[in-house]
Amino acid sequence: DQQVKQNSPSLSVQEGRISILNCDYTNSMFDYFLWYKKYPAEGPTFLISISSIKDKNEDGRFTVFLNKSAKHLSLHIVPSQPGDSAVYFCAASAGGVSQGNLIFGKGTKLSVKP
Amino acid sequence: DTGVSQDPRHKITKRGQNVTFRCDPISEHNRLYWYRQTLGQGPEFLTYFQNEAQLEKSRLLSDRFSAERPKGSFSTLEIQRTEQGDSAMYLCASSLAGSLIPQPQHFGDGTRLSIL
Repeated sequence: DQQVKQNSPSLSVQEGRISILNCDYTNSMFDYFLWYKKYPAEGPTFLISISSIKDKNEDGRFTVFLNKSAKHLSLHIVPSQPGDSAVYFCAASAGGVSQGNLIFGKGTKLSVKP
Repeated sequence: DTGVSQDPRHKITKRGQNVTFRCDPISEHNRLYWYRQTLGQGPEFLTYFQNEAQLEKSRLLSDRFSAERPKGSFSTLEIQRTEQGDSAMYLCASSLAGSLIPQPQHFGDGTRLSIL
């Protein structure tokens, strides 16, 4: 039973356009959500996070939106760059500041074409 | 500031052998996590420590797996009597617990285990 779902295994966008990666979750106890980027042969790199008390968090070209009623979050990358090509993982945890383990989705492979 | 360091990067061993991996977290981080990732999947939680105390273990962590963090700094993950199904990337992460807001976990580059 997957608690965090990334339903699109891959996404291809043109350089300079917006990339939108989606994530759905089922556990209403999740209160902290994160996005990680992963290049081949490297570990996941933290990108951006959002607490359940917010509905938007922005950091440079990256914005995460959280819709708690729909149990849905999305990562927007604007403008997309070829260096953004990687696998993106959505992750969630419960427990507030005492958060323990992360539950990950299966990832979405983003390809940004020049 | 060095990140999370894992050693070795790759390990190839025969089925039935024991293997041990090491993780050095970011120095000021008091929490350390172990995850396992197989092809096409996201990382799956195995266990985590706060300082030297092991606070949670996943049901994925069978009796053949043991993790330690004896002085609250580096950690080791040992797999005894390895099986084909243990082939995976083993990832370590660390974070700072105890602040007023949740802190992200930062990952090392993993140890890739291949069982022959």
